[in-house]
Amino acid sequence: DAMVIQNPRYQVTQFGKPVTLSCSQTLNHNVMYWYQQKSSQAPKLLFHYYDKDFNNEADTPDNFQSRRPNTSFCFLDIRSPGLGDAAMYLCATSRDSRATNEKLFFGSGTQLSVL
Amino acid sequence: AQSVAQPEDQVNVAEGNPLTVKCTYSVSGNPYLFWYVQYPNRGLQFLLKYITGDNLVKGSYGFEAEFNKSQTSFHLKKPSALVSDSALYFCAVRLEYGNKLVFGAGTILRVKS
Repeated sequence: DAMVIQNPRYQVTQFGKPVTLSCSQTLNHNVMYWYQQKSSQAPKLLFHYYDKDFNNEADTPDNFQSRRPNTSFCFLDIRSPGLGDAAMYLCATSRDSRATNEKLFFGSGTQLSVL
Repeated sequence: AQSVAQPEDQVNVAEGNPLTVKCTYSVSGNPYLFWYVQYPNRGLQFLLKYITGDNLVKGSYGFEAEFNKSQTSFHLKKPSALVSDSALYFCAVRLEYGNKLVFGAGTILRVKS
């Protein structure tokens, strides 16, 4: 019954080696979000897609990119991971980001380790 | 800028006792307030939200939250805690005319039998 699916659950990469995290959804939601959550901290929004429109947060480093080839899939690309990028990465969806009372549906997250 | 504060890093409660997890917010307009719960190694799950209307909002798993505009608070409550309620709880706020959800730092709830 999983509705927002993130793969892999754990990802280990090397310092500076590009890595891609995946998210898929079966909800047919318009909006997909990527959050970064470091240990004992609040999730921080990196960017989101409203359909095909990409919306980057002002403080998201250029090292982080995203792709959404279709409604169901969204990818987070980290071009040159640093030690500070080790975190849990959460994908979420909502029907419409312009409706301010919309709730988000989260995946289980990908825990990224950088060696 | 909108923000959310959860003043307690951790709340400890005995099973069967009432619980409260505190949240205060700061926004320039009318707030839309949310509570999410995160179990170990899982994503966040929606618990409840306040949009407008009654100040007492009821949500999933027997949780409720009280919106207090004068105190700018949105505390999460449950009359009788269960051990299975032990998790990390996040309060979040969204501006009436914005679309960014801002989370608090989270509060660990530990319920002991």
